[in-house]
Amino acid sequence: QSALTQPPSASGSPGQSITISCTGTSSDIGGYNYVSWYQQHPGKAPKLIIYEVTKRPSGVPDRFSGSKSGITASLTVSGLQTDDEADYYCTSYAGSDDWVFGGGTKLTVL
Amino acid sequence: EVQLVESGGGLVQPGESLRLSCSASGFIFSGYWMHWVRQAPGKGLVWVSSCNSDVTFASYADSVRGRFTISRDNPKNTVYLQMSSLRAEDTAIYYCVRGGPYSWSSLEYWGQGKLVTVSS
Repeated sequence: QSALTQPPSASGSPGQSITISCTGTSSDIGGYNYVSWYQQHPGKAPKLIIYEVTKRPSGVPDRFSGSKSGITASLTVSGLQTDDEADYYCTSYAGSDDWVFGGGTKLTVL
Repeated sequence: EVQLVESGGGLVQPGESLRLSCSASGFIFSGYWMHWVRQAPGKGLVWVSSCNSDVTFASYADSVRGRFTISRDNPKNTVYLQMSSLRAEDTAIYYCVRGGPYSWSSLEYWGQGKLVTVSS
């Protein structure tokens, strides 16, 4: 149950695109297409923005997109907006009813 | 509208026990996996425990296995987390999360969280 690896920080200017990586193992990200991404603003509960690697819940802008290659999943945010400034967490199903989260990435919109 | 409301948090001393409750509404509770996820102050999210509709399947993070127990009362639309032998490192906001019909369904809806502080 080792945590997934995310960069601690990322930044971009309004209108730009950024990509956040999330690296796991063959037992989690590499073994299942059940990777989700969450956005968390300070003092708020996390919000699901991507599930099953690439799917967006209703109401999530298409500026948010997900992908996966091997043991690494990625979240891309295009057309950065100031409200995108938040912490982002990845998570993956790890089998045997277990889940594992990444350490989180703080996105700063300059 | 899906709503999850946690209760039962607070300040406890190391070694003591505490039970968190999560009252659910807005969906057919018995049809969904339920989860607990915690977040220590200033730190990241950590999965704690999950269970299926009738708790025939329950899983735990290594850090809490043997000390925490997840349970649920479907007629009351409530899931619980019984925490015992609490340690300082268990201090965190505990979130109740609704999953889906399968263990691998995404952790979709989150409560607002309840703070548990373990300190002497």
